[in-house]
Amino acid sequence: KQEVTQIPAALSVPEGENLVLNCSFTDSAIYNLQWFRQDPGKGLTSLLLIQSSQREQTSGRLNASLDKSSGRSTLYIAASQPGDSATYLCAVSTDKLIFGTGTRLQVFP
Amino acid sequence: NAGVTQTPKFQVLKTGQSMTLQCAQDMNHEYMSWYRQDPGMGLRLIHYSVGAGITDQGEVPNGYNVSRSTTEDFPLRLLSAAPSQTSVYFCASSYSPGTGGTEAFFGQGTRLTVV
Repeated sequence: KQEVTQIPAALSVPEGENLVLNCSFTDSAIYNLQWFRQDPGKGLTSLLLIQSSQREQTSGRLNASLDKSSGRSTLYIAASQPGDSATYLCAVSTDKLIFGTGTRLQVFP
Repeated sequence: NAGVTQTPKFQVLKTGQSMTLQCAQDMNHEYMSWYRQDPGMGLRLIHYSVGAGITDQGEVPNGYNVSRSTTEDFPLRLLSAAPSQTSVYFCASSYSPGTGGTEAFFGQGTRLTVV
């Protein structure tokens, strides 16, 4: 059974810091891995999608890496801003999409 | 292009009542799924469908039914609501994960309270 874990569960940082969110999964037979953002009371917004054949994807200040053999992905956020405050979820795709429990990020001015 | 549309956004049910949560997508996606989100539990898969006429159970299917008669719609039925089904429900769609995977799109959620 695929299990997805995210560490840390919560993170509070001052504005401007570079930070790393971690995602690990137990079964490396995945098609892709996605990172999502969820604002309080809202739905999920896709941030980055990494195919299983790729090592990383970048979008603006976000960079996500994937090491399928070790079952790990990281989301790197550069120069964090208060507007980055949200819950970040990773999900791995096999025949279905399985989510981690998320990292709740707070960036304070 | 509306994406994934869920209705209703909020619902209060009495224990034992039944209801249907609606989900529709206009992106011609084969894959649709339902999740529930509870504090500290993340998103847990209830049921999913890889195409019209095909459905399968996820992690927490008990108390829920689904059907997929068209590509666009994937309703979730609560047969006899229980307080344990109080949660936020999300519908998602994408092209089939088996094709190499594409971005998943989510509806805005339905907040259900069972009293």
